Amino acid sequence: DADVTQTPRNRITKTGKRIMLECSQTKGHDRMYWYRQDPGLGLRLIYYSFDVKDINKGEISDGYSVSRQAQAKFSLSLESAIPNQTALYFCATSGPREGQPQHFGDGTRLSIL
Amino acid sequence: GESVGLHLPTLSVQEGDNSIINCAYSNSASDYFIWYKQESGKGPQFIIDIRSNMDKRQGQRVTVLLNKTVKHLSLQIAATQPGDSAVYFCAERPGGATNKLIFGTGTLLAVQP
Repeated sequence: DADVTQTPRNRITKTGKRIMLECSQTKGHDRMYWYRQDPGLGLRLIYYSFDVKDINKGEISDGYSVSRQAQAKFSLSLESAIPNQTALYFCATSGPREGQPQHFGDGTRLSIL
Repeated sequence: GESVGLHLPTLSVQEGDNSIINCAYSNSASDYFIWYKQESGKGPQFIIDIRSNMDKRQGQRVTVLLNKTVKHLSLQIAATQPGDSAVYFCAERPGGATNKLIFGTGTLLAVQP
C-alpha cells in the first residue's frame, strides 16, 4: 500500500547496534501498528498507537521501543540489536473504529549479524 | 515472499479454475475477519472482510464464507489467474476495545499456466 511508506526497505547491521525503522502514512489514520513476520509464523504485534499521545505494548515488545512523532509518523527502534531480531518488519494503519482493516507498508527486511 | 512462503501449506491450481483457501480461527468470540494477500517482497494487501453477523460476503472474483459453528473461514477465488499467486492469510479480531488482530500463518497459492 503506497499510502504507508517504510524506510529503509532493507538493512543489515551488527549485534549491539541501535537501529531505527521509520513509517509514515498519508491515509490520515490515527491508529498505527508495528509487526514482525518470521517464516512459518503469523504476524506478531510489537507495539501499537491509537493517537500521538497513546503507546501500547503488543505481544512481543521486549527489546523494542517506539516513538509516535506525529499522526503520520511511527518509528520502531531496536536499542541493542540481537540476531533473533532478524525478521521482516511491517507497519500498518487503521481507521478509528473497531472492525476496520489494517493497511500495511511493504516492510523492512532486517538482518542482524 | 521467498521467506514468507517457507513451511507453508501450498495450494496448486490451474489457471482459470476456482481456488478455495481455508482458515481455522481460534477464538469463538471473534467478531471480525479479514483475508490478506501477500506477494513476494510486498506487504499484506487487504482483500475482503466479514463481520460475525454474516456468513457470506462477495467481492470482485472473491467470496468469503464464515462458519462460526466450526470456527472456519474460507476464501474462494473465481477464475484464478497467474497474478493471484501469493501467500494468503486470514486474521481475526478477538473483540474488546481495540482493533488488535490475530493472524494466521498463511497458504501459498501457486497458479499453473
